[in-house]
Amino acid sequence: DAEITQSPRHKITETGRQVTLACHQTWNHNNMFWYRQDLGHGLRLIHYSYGVQDTNKGEVSDGYSVSRSNTEDLPLTLESAASSQTSVYFCASSAGGASTDTQYFGPGTRLTVL
Amino acid sequence: AQSVTQLGSHVSVSEGALVLLRCNYSSSVPPYLFWYVQYPNQGLQLLLKYTSAATLVKGINGFEAEFKKSETSFHLTKPSAHMSDAAEYFCAVRMYGGSQGNLIFGKGTKLSVKP
Repeated sequence: DAEITQSPRHKITETGRQVTLACHQTWNHNNMFWYRQDLGHGLRLIHYSYGVQDTNKGEVSDGYSVSRSNTEDLPLTLESAASSQTSVYFCASSAGGASTDTQYFGPGTRLTVL
Repeated sequence: AQSVTQLGSHVSVSEGALVLLRCNYSSSVPPYLFWYVQYPNQGLQLLLKYTSAATLVKGINGFEAEFKKSETSFHLTKPSAHMSDAAEYFCAVRMYGGSQGNLIFGKGTKLSVKP
């Protein structure tokens, strides 16, 4: 079955370190997204991609970067981790091409920055 | 800018009672609307979506939602709550003709079901 996976599921790191969170989907979806979920804020969009070599900033992109070198993967990098980036991170994908597309979410990565 | 408001961050109902979770959107143009559910320590799962085909939308697990343009609402209901419905529910909006895939989420409503 097609799926979307995230790794690691849990990560503890220190302030100032570079961290990369992986997202991999096997649906061959064009669109991929990264969100962060914080209490009281719901989900907020960090970065998104509509295809290979395409990346765009979302609502809360400062301190994060992404690159899309193939259809299946959209890794999220925290260049220099900060305590404010402690959160749960969700990756999602959708087929693209229609406003009615459903986004499918991964299981999430819980990141703690000490 | 478009936005989504979910009234009530926590809702508690008794098992067998009606579930009503409220969602209002701000937009001059009717958008596409979605309800997602998140069970503890899991990702989000689509419950149902409004795509302008019908104003009453039926989803999984007995949930349904009605799009009311005059009230800019898309409230989620279920006639009889079950213990397994305890989860967090998110309403989301995507503008018709807008960005290809971006969703704007409400802040979520956590549903508790009492035995």
